[in-house]
Amino acid sequence: DAGITQSPRHKVTETGTPVTLRCHQTENHRYMYWYRQDPGHGLRLIHYSYGVKDTDKGEVSDGYSVSRSKTEDFLLTLESATSSQTSVYFCASRGTDYSYEQYFGPGTRLTVT
Amino acid sequence: GENVEQHPSTLSVQEGDSAVIKCTYSDSASNYFPWYKQELGKRPQLIIDIRSNVGEKKDQRIAVTLNKTAKHFSLHITETQPEDSAVYFCAASPNGQNFVFGPGTRLSVLP
Repeated sequence: DAGITQSPRHKVTETGTPVTLRCHQTENHRYMYWYRQDPGHGLRLIHYSYGVKDTDKGEVSDGYSVSRSKTEDFLLTLESATSSQTSVYFCASRGTDYSYEQYFGPGTRLTVT
Repeated sequence: GENVEQHPSTLSVQEGDSAVIKCTYSDSASNYFPWYKQELGKRPQLIIDIRSNVGEKKDQRIAVTLNKTAKHFSLHITETQPEDSAVYFCAASPNGQNFVFGPGTRLSVLP
């Protein structure tokens, strides 16, 4: 599974609280991605990174921010969680400019009450 | 932006039969089309992909075809087995940067 992990794996939080999810990969991959998965919507891209400190928005970026200070770590932050952000979050990584295959982490189930 | 549609949303086949899942995309800049399989409670895993300079690609019982003119691509699974039961997602991407996924197809292979 390309050495990609996520933490925490499960989290329950209250509306209005900040939440940070962590994605860690040991493959020295350049590209990293955050997705959310909801029934009927497949995987929707939140943000992605194409290098340290280089990030860009995906199709559902509102309410989320990201940071990448090291190659191996990509953090997703919900500044003030809302119930609509209850979802399963997957991160992914891929290695080079020529290989487009993404490797996914195990997912984080986030519930906002 | 890119929009990917996927049909059918559910598909049931008898073991040994073939299964076909179809996706359409809207952005002619997309040039990479992967297919992922996701088992219940697991992470998505790539099963096959195709780039826009190729019309068809096969890997054992799995094949993908691409029609760039019509902007659609399809996943073909032959001789289906119970372990093929899962949710399948297609996606489209321009140069592997951002990815847009279809909503998924739940495939059930009946013994």
